[in-house]
Amino acid sequence: QKEVEQDPGPLSVPEGAIVSLNCTYSNSAFQYFMWYRQYSRKGPELLMYTYSSGNKEDGRFTAQVDKSSKYISLFIRDSQPSDSATYLCAMRDNFGNEKLTFGTGTRLTIIP
Amino acid sequence: EPEVTQTPSHQVTQMGQEVILRCVPISNHLYFYWYRQILGQKVEFLVSFYNNEISEKSEIFDDQFSVERPDGSNFTLKIRSTKLEDSAMYFCASQSGTSWNEQYFGPGTRLTVT
Repeated sequence: QKEVEQDPGPLSVPEGAIVSLNCTYSNSAFQYFMWYRQYSRKGPELLMYTYSSGNKEDGRFTAQVDKSSKYISLFIRDSQPSDSATYLCAMRDNFGNEKLTFGTGTRLTIIP
Repeated sequence: EPEVTQTPSHQVTQMGQEVILRCVPISNHLYFYWYRQILGQKVEFLVSFYNNEISEKSEIFDDQFSVERPDGSNFTLKIRSTKLEDSAMYFCASQSGTSWNEQYFGPGTRLTVT
C-alpha cells in the first residue's frame, strides 16, 4: 500500500463550482498536512497546511483533516480558471523529520 | 516577495558525466532540501540539510549524490556520474527556523541524461 494515495484525475469542473480534492494515507505518524499547487513545469507552491485533525480556511480554500479515517481534503469555493493546475497533498510526521511525503497530484481544469 | 531560485532551468548531460545543480534559498532560511520529480510521477524527497550537514536522506540519495553550501547563499546538488534514470525535475526548497511546515520550492532544474 502506498503511503499517500491521491486520485490523479484529470478533474474538470465549470467555473464557479466547488472543487473537492482528496488524499488518503497509511502512515499514522503523519501529523502535518500540506497542500501545494503546481502549474505545468513549475515548482510546487504552498497553499496551506494543517496540523492534526480539523479544518482550516484561507480565502476560497478550506483544508480538512480526518485522522481517524486517514483522509484529507482541500475544498476550493467559487473556482476560477486560474485555479487550473495540479494539486499535491504532502505530509510529514512529528518526529523531527522534515521530509515531505507527497501524493501523485490531481490535475484540475476549471472550464470558463 | 522572496523566492527560491535555481539554475540552470534545463541541463542536458551525457551518461557518466558529473552535474551540479544550483539553488539560492530564501535569505533568512535555515533548512534546505532537494526533491526530485520524474516525469509523470510524484515529488520525492532526496535530502535535507541544516547547520552545514545532512540531517536526513532518502534511499535514492546514494554515494553518487552530494550536497554542499559553499557560501552563505548557494546550495548545490552534485551528481557524480549521471545515469539515464537520473533524468527528472530537481527542486530545491527552503524553510525558516520558525515556520516548521512552510517549505518553499524553487522552479526546478530539468535534468536530461542522454
